Amino acid sequence: GNSVTQMEGPVTLSEEAFLTINCTYTATGYPSLFWYVQYPGEGLQLLLKATKADDKGSNKGFEATYRKETTSFHLEKGSVQVSDSAVYFCALIYNQGGKLIFGQGTELSVKP
Amino acid sequence: GAGVSQTPSNKVTEKGKYVELRCDPISGHTALYWYRQSLGQGPEFLIYFQGTGAADDSGLPNDRFFAVRPEGSVSTLKIQRTERGDSAVYLCASSADRVGELFFGEGSRLTVL
Repeated sequence: GNSVTQMEGPVTLSEEAFLTINCTYTATGYPSLFWYVQYPGEGLQLLLKATKADDKGSNKGFEATYRKETTSFHLEKGSVQVSDSAVYFCALIYNQGGKLIFGQGTELSVKP
Repeated sequence: GAGVSQTPSNKVTEKGKYVELRCDPISGHTALYWYRQSLGQGPEFLIYFQGTGAADDSGLPNDRFFAVRPEGSVSTLKIQRTERGDSAVYLCASSADRVGELFFGEGSRLTVL
């Protein structure tokens, strides 16, 4: 079936370090891919998305590229801040208007 | 407010009791979703409404779970004969026409003793 697998957390980094959170997916056809973020005490919110192969989604300094050949959508940021501490969820949707399928989440903790 | 509102934010109940969780979506959003999130896990899909009708209820775990959206706006998730395993945060989200772009509420935390 369709599924998303993320690297396990927690990930602990120092401020200004480079971040990668791995995400791979299994899906029939060509899904759209998303990263959602959950800051402490807040609801999930969309961070970025990519709808077709080789698309790059970007927002708030975060980037992810839809790689069909490796079925991956890794999240990257060149220089993390303490305010980036949150739980990050990779997700896919495999038909128009259908349900989002989430990975298990990766907790990121950034220390000053 | 302008966001998705869920009530109650916290609900403690006893095994076997009936529970209702309410979701007030963003005005004008036609799609509404319910998810369940256990500690350390990603959101697990339960049901999705397009307007008043359930477009996909394949995630409802069993017939103790039921959801309605009678006027295409507010939705209620109903759980009968609650069990301890139902303890989780129940998330509601709404969406306009942009595929996969969901706006989530802060959730209703259900604890079944």
